[in-house]
Amino acid sequence: DAKTTQPNSMESNEEEPVHLPCNHSTISGTDYIHWYRQLPSQGPEYVIHGLTSNVNNRMASLAIAEDRKSSTLILHRATLRDAAVYYCILRWYSGGGADGLTFGKGTHLIIQP
Amino acid sequence: DSGVTQTPKHLITATGQRVTLRCSPRSGDLSVYWYQQSLDQGLQFLIQYYNGEERAKGNILERFSAQQFPDLHSELNLSSLELGDSALYFCASSVEGGQADTQYFGPGTRLTVL
Repeated sequence: DAKTTQPNSMESNEEEPVHLPCNHSTISGTDYIHWYRQLPSQGPEYVIHGLTSNVNNRMASLAIAEDRKSSTLILHRATLRDAAVYYCILRWYSGGGADGLTFGKGTHLIIQP
Repeated sequence: DSGVTQTPKHLITATGQRVTLRCSPRSGDLSVYWYQQSLDQGLQFLIQYYNGEERAKGNILERFSAQQFPDLHSELNLSSLELGDSALYFCASSVEGGQADTQYFGPGTRLTVL
């Protein structure tokens, strides 16, 4: 897997936007960028993924740099429920499919009321 | 609720024993993954099955094995258990197992080896 780098932790206030950065300078042309999060005492949860274009869904937005060497997960209005560890993961094409997700240490997002 | 179920929720056993963890994927998902989460190693991919066949192996020990049955549920067998095997074990499922697939995780089984 290509490597990703994320800040260990970030803090934000409730009801404000949060921008979670991820660097992936060794990304290849066919690597998808996935974001998952893990709330306390729960299994990981899919957030969003993209390849080249920016993506939006009901949970978040994913902004991908033009050179694809970095991306940013945007939570538009953070709530206390968004406090979790956020993982940025690259998935590559291996012909027969893709292996399991390679989780790094992720970013621990703290939301202040 | 992801639609993935895992049993049991908690398991306490002794060193040297063998246990079986069970996972039922979401309806329609053909691919099942197993992960281990421990304090020192973080979340690690163990093994993937697709429609009954092993597709990919991660950091799975030789003492561990898995299988996926015709009804697509999966079991992870852990034998000769050691203290260091104490961890959370997650199962995830996806439709096909491709690189753009979304994985849906179950609530996990907490294994404690005494």
